[in-house]
Amino acid sequence: GQQVQQSPASLVLQEGENAELQCNFSTSLNSMQWFYQRPGGSLVSLFYNPSGTKHSGRLTSTTVIKERRSSLHISSSQTTDSGTYLCALERNAGAKLTFGGGTRLTVRP
Amino acid sequence: DMKVTQMPRYLIKRMGENVLLECGQDMSHETMYWYRQDPGLGLQLIYISYDVDSNSEGDIPKGYRVSRKKREHFSLILDSAKTNQTSVYFCASSPRDRGGQDTQYFGPGTRLLVL
Repeated sequence: GQQVQQSPASLVLQEGENAELQCNFSTSLNSMQWFYQRPGGSLVSLFYNPSGTKHSGRLTSTTVIKERRSSLHISSSQTTDSGTYLCALERNAGAKLTFGGGTRLTVRP
Repeated sequence: DMKVTQMPRYLIKRMGENVLLECGQDMSHETMYWYRQDPGLGLQLIYISYDVDSNSEGDIPKGYRVSRKKREHFSLILDSAKTNQTSVYFCASSPRDRGGQDTQYFGPGTRLLVL
């Protein structure tokens, strides 16, 4: 089965609403990374979060290792937040990432 | 400004032709990666390089080989390309601190179409 599962697969919001994206994993974890990808674009790292909670502007990432989950919270969404959000699991210190399938977010004005 | 570059950005090849995708980084990162991204399959790791001439297979290495002769350059080679290698290819690099933890920086991607 898939080692990293993201939910929801897609999400549509009105501007100003909040979003909660989930990432669940079934293997041991060295760390979790969250990326943002514009349609047809490259990936931009949002968070490198092995455990606990990290904040960056309107974004918050929380990783709970014993529950094998990580979440990305987007507050007061903006149309420019539209795109795909990917979580990636670093299985061990060998630096290899396993990516989830992504959540495609659309924020409407 | 930290940067990962990829050349070419777009490429069309015929089945059986050889393909060379190039990646460069200006951050002196030790570790570099090649991924491909396909609809429904997400990003998959093809190869990882821990330094010059220190390469390791990823999850889907079949049909690919890599070359890293300088720390700042990492090449992906397709000998006799196949139509199922049509994809978007991403290169990434990362520093390696003592704890082995790092973040990855991605290039803009190369769109390869094999006819």
